[in-house]
Amino acid sequence: GQNIDQPTEMTATEGAIVQINCTYQTSGFNGLFWYQQHAGEAPTFLSYNVLDGLEEKGRFSSFLSRSKGYSYLLLKELQMKDSASYLCAVGFQKLVFGTGTRLLVSP
Amino acid sequence: DTEVTQTPKHLVMGMTNKKSLKCEQHMGHRAMYWYKQKAKKPPELMFVYSYEKLSINESVPSRFSPECPNSSLLNLHLHALQPEDSALYLCASSGQDSSGNTIYFGEGSWLTVV
Repeated sequence: GQNIDQPTEMTATEGAIVQINCTYQTSGFNGLFWYQQHAGEAPTFLSYNVLDGLEEKGRFSSFLSRSKGYSYLLLKELQMKDSASYLCAVGFQKLVFGTGTRLLVSP
Repeated sequence: DTEVTQTPKHLVMGMTNKKSLKCEQHMGHRAMYWYKQKAKKPPELMFVYSYEKLSINESVPSRFSPECPNSSLLNLHLHALQPEDSALYLCASSGQDSSGNTIYFGEGSWLTVV
């Protein structure tokens, strides 16, 4: 089976940096994905990690440690539009999502 | 271009109705998916089609019937649904690219069963 944990909610201010953690336990591992989902919209792909280390993509970075079953999503220079849910997911075709972290960015 | 298109965007149906949700992708992906998402919950996998064949059915009730007419199209036929089936239904597709087997979602179909 698979178990994925994320904090339920986080708050941060515009311009700040926030780190959203994800821990997972899986019977197999094919990669870890991060998605962003604004209220009332579909999830959009942010990042994919399959090897240990940091993947940087503009203001967003994602880190993976397979030995620790741990990942984080780092958001820099926060903007109001970054207020959304952030979903960690693992799997291959059978992608299993964590419960998501609701991020609220305030002025 | 990572585009998965779904129609209709919104659907209201009675419990005795028969309706269908449609999904299309032109990215050459060979795997397509249906997910269901309730409010404030993560998406839950319903079905996976791989090379136009049903490969995963997550014990979904038979009132939901998927169909994959060809590699670009995926339908979800709905019949005798219950009010608790009201949710956002997400179609997705995936294929081997620089981001592994990344799953790309359509905008979803909001279903209300009355």
